[in-house]
Amino acid sequence: GAGVSQSPSNKVTEKGKDVELRCDPISGHTALYWYRQSLGQGLEFLIYFQGNSAPDKSGLPSDRFSAERTGGSVSTLTIQRTQQEDSAVYLCASSLVAGGGSDTQYFGPGTRLTVL
Amino acid sequence: AQKVTQAQTEISVVEKEDVTLDCVYETRDTTYYLFWYKQPPSGELVFLIRRNSFDEQNEISGRYSWNFQKSTSSFNFTITASQVVDSAVYFCALSEGTNAGKSTFGDGTTLTVKP
Repeated sequence: GAGVSQSPSNKVTEKGKDVELRCDPISGHTALYWYRQSLGQGLEFLIYFQGNSAPDKSGLPSDRFSAERTGGSVSTLTIQRTQQEDSAVYLCASSLVAGGGSDTQYFGPGTRLTVL
Repeated sequence: AQKVTQAQTEISVVEKEDVTLDCVYETRDTTYYLFWYKQPPSGELVFLIRRNSFDEQNEISGRYSWNFQKSTSSFNFTITASQVVDSAVYFCALSEGTNAGKSTFGDGTTLTVKP
């Protein structure tokens, strides 16, 4: 597609359940980022993938969060044993090349996660 | 550690007024990049501008202008003759040259332009 796509757009789950959020980056973009945006807050960096390099996981808030990127394209963010504080909008972005921080990131529409 | 502060949580103006959104940043890197993004009510973040730390020239794009001042670590954004369609949340962000993938965003400024 032309832009970054994310699915589902909305996800409601019960506390303790696992969820998977998907991101499809812009074709040809080698860098992929996940952020979390809580209500009325800025974006909180979660994880970053660049090509075949080991991902930068330094932003993941706990070991319940994990992400993978298969084939250098689609990425899945998994949250295990969800908690109410995980409720937020999860945003994915991609960029052409993460060249020393200069790259412009293009954002998807986000997945709104609600944990009951 | 990098930090971005947008002290203005909410701003409300009447159409055609000029408005300036403030952004102050902290970084130890000499090479860094600053960004502004717009998040309209539809939710999708839209890139507006990128500046690198070596280029302090101000930039104007239509009704938008940006004032980058390293002396005060600020990268302020001005909208001239605001319009209702400018209503959105605006985010300032910083990326350091030594930490390519990790952008730090401010908490955003919600701008409401009333007709």
